[in-house]
Amino acid sequence: DSGVTQTPKHLITATGQRVTLRCSPRSGDLSVYWYQQSLDQGLQFLIQYYNGEERAKGNILERFSAQQFPDLHSELNLSSLELGDSALYFCASSFLAGAVNEQFFGPGTRLTVL
Amino acid sequence: EDKVVQSPLSLVVHEGDTVTLNCSYEVTNFRSLLWYKQEKKAPTFLFMLTSSGIEKKSGRLSSILDKKELFSILNITATQTGDSAVYLCAADPSSYKLIFGSGTRLLVRP
Repeated sequence: DSGVTQTPKHLITATGQRVTLRCSPRSGDLSVYWYQQSLDQGLQFLIQYYNGEERAKGNILERFSAQQFPDLHSELNLSSLELGDSALYFCASSFLAGAVNEQFFGPGTRLTVL
Repeated sequence: EDKVVQSPLSLVVHEGDTVTLNCSYEVTNFRSLLWYKQEKKAPTFLFMLTSSGIEKKSGRLSSILDKKELFSILNITATQTGDSAVYLCAADPSSYKLIFGSGTRLLVRP
């Protein structure tokens, strides 16, 4: 158990809908990262927040957005869902923003878009 | 464009065998390389390598980095069925993200 929690574990929804994925980092960690893992793409970095501020953006679609709240939990919002958005979404946390430190991953949310 | 390539894509061995997993990278401002093990759930951290030629060990697993040739290897000796997983390597390009390879799927048969 990494100490990073994610809810829900599974989510099944329809195309065009909007969902929110939630992540709580390890105690003391200030950075939260979101990754998407699909069968054909591997782990793709989406976005990172550090202490409430967005620090880096990766391959995140405009239909997706995220935020980190004062208590450091983070939410990833996915809207106008398409079939291709079906994937595992992981949240990871680390103490520092970009120094040499490992990231600890949560158990993931499996999103299925029908 | 930064990239990380792992080989082989998959590997099937028998218990007791030794395996070597490869990871090569082309990353600007390279800072470190990380190995993760992913079973059915989240990737779990194995090693972080920042210096060339210094082997890191944890039980039957070991890893080393070659910053001149831009690759790393992960060795697993005396493999067990519990080692079956996808092994991911990731490069840290001195930014706020990790660049992951596509992974090596290892299956250890009894």
